[in-house]
Amino acid sequence: DARVTQTPRHKVTEMGQEVTMRCQPILGHNTVFWYRQTMMQGLELLAYFRNRAPLDDSGMPKDRFSAEMPDATLATLKIQPSEPRDSAVYFCASRGGSNEQFFGPGTRLTVL
Amino acid sequence: TQLLEQSPQFLSIQEGENLTVYCNSSSVFSSLQWYRQEPGEGPVLLVTVVTGGEVKKLKRLTFQFGDARKDSSLHITAAQPGDTGLYLCAGDRGSGTYKYIFGTGTRLKVLA
Repeated sequence: DARVTQTPRHKVTEMGQEVTMRCQPILGHNTVFWYRQTMMQGLELLAYFRNRAPLDDSGMPKDRFSAEMPDATLATLKIQPSEPRDSAVYFCASRGGSNEQFFGPGTRLTVL
Repeated sequence: TQLLEQSPQFLSIQEGENLTVYCNSSSVFSSLQWYRQEPGEGPVLLVTVVTGGEVKKLKRLTFQFGDARKDSSLHITAAQPGDTGLYLCAGDRGSGTYKYIFGTGTRLKVLA
């Protein structure tokens, strides 16, 4: 069955390193979201794309985070340089014609 | 500032008990969704409510959207261990983008 996939599932890195997270949305879905989930802040929207164009990235720290969709089957979220406060679970979600978002399993990031 | 406050934050009950989770805001939403999230997975949509006063049922779960579309509740009848998880409400402010803001979450544990 169709699912959103994310890689890697877990990432441990040291402060200052670049981190790249990848997402494959459900085929045919034209809207892709990136979220971050922490115990303190809950689930926060970082950015989202429609038809590969960025529509809103106001939730994303601009100085170190960047999000792109090189093609319709791949969305990336990069952090450079990473900091311990970036430790969280990062979710990608995609949406087709309805208002239902389908979430991936998440990438658990730990920055030491 | 969290737009959507959920209560209670944590709930531990015995199998067979009833419970209600609340989602409150001072803002009006054009629609509101409820999700359940299990450990290690992304949230999964349970229901979307769009009309003030609307009530939807999903087996033992009953969802209600407040008349003023500022709040919602989720009632579970005869809870089962399989209902254990993190329950999230999410509201759309109605910008036409279907960009949902997530609530603070209610972590439910149902003991056998």
